[in-house]
Amino acid sequence: DAGITQSPRHKVTETGTPVTLRCHQTENHRYMYWYRQDPGHGLRLIHYSYGVKDTDKGEVSDGYSVSRSKTEDFLLTLESATSSQTSVYFCAITRGANYGYTFGSGTRLTVV
Amino acid sequence: AQSVTQPDIHITVSEGASLELRCNYSYGATPYLFWYVQSPGQGLQLLLKYFSGDTLVQGIKGFEAEFKRSQSSFNLRKPSVHWSDAAEYFCAVGGGGRDDKIIFGKGTRLHILP
Repeated sequence: DAGITQSPRHKVTETGTPVTLRCHQTENHRYMYWYRQDPGHGLRLIHYSYGVKDTDKGEVSDGYSVSRSKTEDFLLTLESATSSQTSVYFCAITRGANYGYTFGSGTRLTVV
Repeated sequence: AQSVTQPDIHITVSEGASLELRCNYSYGATPYLFWYVQSPGQGLQLLLKYFSGDTLVQGIKGFEAEFKRSQSSFNLRKPSVHWSDAAEYFCAVGGGGRDDKIIFGKGTRLHILP
């Protein structure tokens, strides 16, 4: 969707290094979410934000942190990447749950 | 707690045949319900949603879903599938509140036989 972009699209990194993924929206939506997608697990919520500087943990938040200093940007940081964090990461935005989410195209992260 | 169950991991149907994908949810109040589709290597696209009103909802690409409160179900249907419908389908439930979180099922992968 043109209103939400994720960067980078692909990244390979080494175990133990920090990694930051960026989600950028142009829709001025209040809510932003980070999910990871793994075979057999569907989408699992990592962290979410309901406004600038308002963030909270999801079900699989260990090893991840987030920041939202502007409405349009939601950053996901892997503080010290591990092989178990190899995954596809999706960002989603919404103005409210009844509207459903709009998803980014995803970031494929490989930790070697 | 919210949860979503998609009992079928894989489903195979012939092109032109009808389709029904099952979804059961657990939620304490009237839920918002969604179906998303994901083609290989792509993000998720919203097919349809329900949050009130008519329990039969129409979506894009000829899909429809029916909300049945008594069965806690929100099954997705299509009368005649096309080869391009081959994808993974996710059911999701959410309900507002401060965080407006949506919880996803594990997905059903649809295969189409020519």
